[in-house]
Amino acid sequence: QSVLTQPPSASGTPGQRVTISCSGSVSNIGSNFVYWYQQLPGTAPKLLIYRSNQRPSGVPDRFSGSKSGTSASLAISGLRSEDEADYYCATWDDRLSGPVFGGGTKLTVL
Amino acid sequence: QVQLQESGPGLVKPSETLSLRCSVSGGSTITSGYYWSWIRQPPGKGLEWIGYVSYTGSTSYNPSLRSRVTISLDPPKNQFSLRLSSATPADTAVYYCARETGSYDASFDFWGQGTLVSVSS
Repeated sequence: QSVLTQPPSASGTPGQRVTISCSGSVSNIGSNFVYWYQQLPGTAPKLLIYRSNQRPSGVPDRFSGSKSGTSASLAISGLRSEDEADYYCATWDDRLSGPVFGGGTKLTVL
Repeated sequence: QVQLQESGPGLVKPSETLSLRCSVSGGSTITSGYYWSWIRQPPGKGLEWIGYVSYTGSTSYNPSLRSRVTISLDPPKNQFSLRLSSATPADTAVYYCARETGSYDASFDFWGQGTLVSVSS
């Protein structure tokens, strides 16, 4: 049972816009930045969004993040086949005194 | 470009201690502001933070694993290590080492490729 709640799956067709939600509480998302990670099959996670809505250099602007209250979202526009991966949200939890992850969302490009 | 590489046994017997090392290149483990973490992922499941050692050598652990975990820094070798005692099959996972860019945060900017550790007799 993950501290942060994500839908287990999401899907879209090439070119579409999809969003992935991440729900938490006051002690985690409500008080801290949210991070998003992309994990391609058989590889290590890669930082996709930092500080809730910032993109590291090299990450396409098709990827965007937002946060409101105790929830956050990752949006992917202009969906491409290479976006098929698992996506994880993460943040610091003040109560647990450590980083926590969502359970992950498997994105399928139809 | 910072690179991390995990190493250690791929098979551990139940009740024994799981030990892994992470070698860091392209950066120093004692550079101010960085925290060197271990994260694991059971097969087909999500990510779990195990703990970190800071550039000063201070540590922080996941409360659910605190009684069994030790993470330490080896600055001369530019490495850090993980020891997880009393291993059980539930500890079977891919173990990643990663660099965290600040305390009270969840920003892991560089990761190792991961190493699968199976706990089985």
